[in-house]
Amino acid sequence: QVQLVQSGAEVKKPGASVKVSCKASGYTFTSYAIHWLRQAPGQRLEWMGWINAGDSDTEYSQEFQGRVTITRDTSASTAYMDLSSLRSEDTALYYCARDFGSGSGRWGAFDIWGQGTTVTVSS
Amino acid sequence: QSTLTQPASVSGSPGQSITISCTGTTSDVGYYNYVSWYKQLPGKAPEVMIYEVSKRPSGTSNRFSGSKSGNTASLTISGLQAEDEADYYCSSYTRIRTMVFGGGTKVTVL
Repeated sequence: QVQLVQSGAEVKKPGASVKVSCKASGYTFTSYAIHWLRQAPGQRLEWMGWINAGDSDTEYSQEFQGRVTITRDTSASTAYMDLSSLRSEDTALYYCARDFGSGSGRWGAFDIWGQGTTVTVSS
Repeated sequence: QSTLTQPASVSGSPGQSITISCTGTTSDVGYYNYVSWYKQLPGKAPEVMIYEVSKRPSGTSNRFSGSKSGNTASLTISGLQAEDEADYYCSSYTRIRTMVFGGGTKVTVL
């Protein structure tokens, strides 16, 4: 079935970097964009950026400019989110999600979500 | 960009209708018809309920409807049921190819 499976929980020290993966299956990976979002405990959803899995085009939230990099490996049908200079406020559940309209030039509707990856930043 | 503005909480009795508003700007909600609404249960990933302002994915109850006027989008839940109790988020694609989300609305069924 169509699914996104994310890598496991991470514990990092302040100042370190983290790379979370999101493996797609059950559909043509390069036909859709993948977005990354996060949600701190008890807080709202926060959008981080997206990648067009077909041509690798990316766009990032200004809130994370310079700290986040999203890439993809088409041979592995996997997208990656790399967040650097981690601080305690980055402790959150990180999600990837498929933008199901992106294959036909429509944007911003996420039908398939990964299970989430907990990133804890603590000294 | 900042967040879209949603009420923190909305409540209603079973069978009633409630409406959640989502106010943005001319650069997001008012620019495209790419507004979506998500339902999130505790400990679960969000689920899309409405996309492109008013379209329902297959499987979404027709008790959920969406609309937009200017820079404000709305989600209406009619015939409120206990299972509708959750957090609801709106989102919009923006003029500069980014996404922006609302702060979330907690729906309580009295």
